[in-house]
Amino acid sequence: QVQLQESGPGLVKPSETLSLTCTVSGGSISSYYWSWIRQPAGKGLEWIGRIYISGSTNYNPSLKSRVTMSVDTSKNQFSLRLSSVTAADTAVYYCARDSYCSGGSCYPTGLDYWGQGTLVTVSS
Amino acid sequence: EIVMTQSPATLSLSPGERATLSCRASQSVSSYYLSWYQQKPGQAPRLLIYGASTRATGIPARFSGSGSGTDFTLTISSLQPEDFAVYYCQQDYNFLLTFGGGTKVEIK
Repeated sequence: QVQLQESGPGLVKPSETLSLTCTVSGGSISSYYWSWIRQPAGKGLEWIGRIYISGSTNYNPSLKSRVTMSVDTSKNQFSLRLSSVTAADTAVYYCARDSYCSGGSCYPTGLDYWGQGTLVTVSS
Repeated sequence: EIVMTQSPATLSLSPGERATLSCRASQSVSSYYLSWYQQKPGQAPRLLIYGASTRATGIPARFSGSGSGTDFTLTISSLQPEDFAVYYCQQDYNFLLTFGGGTKVEIK
């Protein structure tokens, strides 16, 4: 059974960089895109972006200038960095498994496995 | 960016009743790229439907999805107590994934 676990600081100061890591267990990080999604308290879901093991990324245009994603296949992990954070970035951050890729093509399968989420608060 | 609009915002129904949730896209979306999720308080979302109508692994048959183009529907044939939750639709077109605002299904 694939499991995902987010980790990182729960408190980040304004203007600093939020850094989170998602560790995948029970399956390989290969052959899939991996996404980050966030959810402010009481609000809906916002997709942040996705990464493939090749390093290929897609980012939400509204966050693109501040987002960097990376992947470490040796550790079965992928990471998110969000710079210049403000209180508006306070949210529960989720990682999730995304599209399956094979033979140069990718097939949308929904976000089928999710981490439990981690609350990140931006405050001084 | 494709905007996904869900209606109604809240649906008040009794156990055993049929729930029909709507999701409308601001432009045509391939059914291939349309998914539905269920979220309960304090939990991560759970994938219910992908490809507009394919149930994810372990999802009961009372959940069904349909639609094409700009209009999609999630139907719960007979609400069970554990189905009262928030439901989100999501599309993934042109490498940009967006969610609808959600429909809360509450007990009447």
